[in-house]
Amino acid sequence: DVKVTQSSRYLVKRTGEKVFLECVQDMDHENMFWYRQDPGLGLRLIYFSYDVKMKEKGDIPEGYSVSREKKERFSLILESASTNQTSMYLCASSSLSGMVTGELFFGEGSRLTVL
Amino acid sequence: GQQLNQSPQSMFIQEGEDVSMNCTSSSIFNTWLWYKQDPGEGPVLLIALYKAGELTSNGRLTAQFGITRKDSFLNISASIPSDVGIYFCAGQLLNRDDKIIFGKGTRLHILP
Repeated sequence: DVKVTQSSRYLVKRTGEKVFLECVQDMDHENMFWYRQDPGLGLRLIYFSYDVKMKEKGDIPEGYSVSREKKERFSLILESASTNQTSMYLCASSSLSGMVTGELFFGEGSRLTVL
Repeated sequence: GQQLNQSPQSMFIQEGEDVSMNCTSSSIFNTWLWYKQDPGEGPVLLIALYKAGELTSNGRLTAQFGITRKDSFLNISASIPSDVGIYFCAGQLLNRDDKIIFGKGTRLHILP
């Protein structure tokens, strides 16, 4: 069974803290994505990556960075967390053919609260 | 940026009723997709549509890719309790296969 695993389901952090959200996929997928989900706003793309050490900005990259040192792992970093980054964060992956079919495989999400 | 207008935002229906939701845009799409998110889970792909006019079914779900390539609808027949969740439309823009845009979601509630 294909799987995208996000390291933490729930996190509570303080303003100014550095936050790491980890995502691992076991499908040997080339492409990985980070979205945030907020009520009434749907899913918004933060960053994505086509290959190891490659990254592209999505629609809302401000305040975030990413790291892809290995094919299976894509990390989202909040250098200095702020309260407006309280949200549900979803990691997803897709194969090369998935870029044509549009099929993304999502993790279960990481709910981050910044106090 | 490009937007998908998904409606309705939420629905309250009785078990057994049929459901209809849709997405529209001012942009032309190559692909239309419908995802469902169960409570506490990530979204899962339900149906993918690749040709204008295409009508595809998956069990009780039916979706269509609009002729103008700017819209899509999803119908659910004879709703059951496990249909509860958030349904997202998504699309890939013409000539931008690397980008999938999501609608804001339709939250489906089913009354007993």
